[in-house]
Amino acid sequence: DIVMTQSPDSLAVSLGERATINCKSSQSVLDSSNNKNYLGWYQQKPGQPPKLLIYWASTRESGVPDRFSGSGSGTDFTLTISSLQAEDVAVYYCQQYYSTPPDFGQGTRLEIK
Amino acid sequence: EMQLVESGGGLDQPGGSLRLSCAASGFTFSNYWMHWVRQAPGKGLVWVSRITGDGSNTAYADSVKGRFTISRDNAKDTLYLQMNSLRAEDTAVYYCARTFLSRDAFDIWGQGTMVTVSS
Repeated sequence: DIVMTQSPDSLAVSLGERATINCKSSQSVLDSSNNKNYLGWYQQKPGQPPKLLIYWASTRESGVPDRFSGSGSGTDFTLTISSLQAEDVAVYYCQQYYSTPPDFGQGTRLEIK
Repeated sequence: EMQLVESGGGLDQPGGSLRLSCAASGFTFSNYWMHWVRQAPGKGLVWVSRITGDGSNTAYADSVKGRFTISRDNAKDTLYLQMNSLRAEDTAVYYCARTFLSRDAFDIWGQGTMVTVSS
C-alpha cells in the first residue's frame, strides 16, 4: 500500500498570508505512460463532507478559487493557498489514487493566526 | 444537480449488522465507480470499499474484508454497504463518493451517515 504523509499536522497563518501544506507518498504516484500524477487535494470544513480542490496534482476543480494551487511530482507534493481567507479554515487532505487502496494523508488543520 | 444521499446509519451492538444506502441523482450512475469512505469521530478519512460501474468488481480495505459487502443497483441508482460483525472501531461517519475512471479523484461526495457500534 502507498502511505501518504502530510506536514505539518496543523498550521496557523495570518489572513492574507500564504499557507503551504506538504504531502509525501511512500511510492511514486506518477504514471510515466501519461505523465500524470495521481494525487488529489481535498478540503473539509467542520460538519461537512470533503470537497475536491485539486486533481492530477495541479488541476483546479471547477469553481475552486485560483488562490488554491497544487504542485509537485513523483512522491512530493504541495498545496498552496496564496492569500488566506477566513473561509479557508478547514482540514486539508491529500489522496493518492494511483493504486488500490486510494488512501488519504492524515490531514492538516489550517487555522487563522 | 449531481447529488449523493446516504441513509441507513444508526446505533448497533458489537456483532450486529447494518445496511447503508447511497442514492444518486443528477448523473448517469452506471457510468461511475462508487466508493465508501469513513471517518471516525475527530479522525481522518479512511477508504473502505469500491465497486465498478457495472458492479462486476469490488475491492475492500483489509480492516473490513470478509465483514462488509459493497453492491449497487443501477436500475435504482443506489449504492449499498452491507456491514456485518460490527466492531466498536467501525464507529464513524460513512460517506459515499464517485469516480469516473478506475483511477480518479473523488469529485462528488454525499453528506454522510453516522454509524455507532456500542453495547
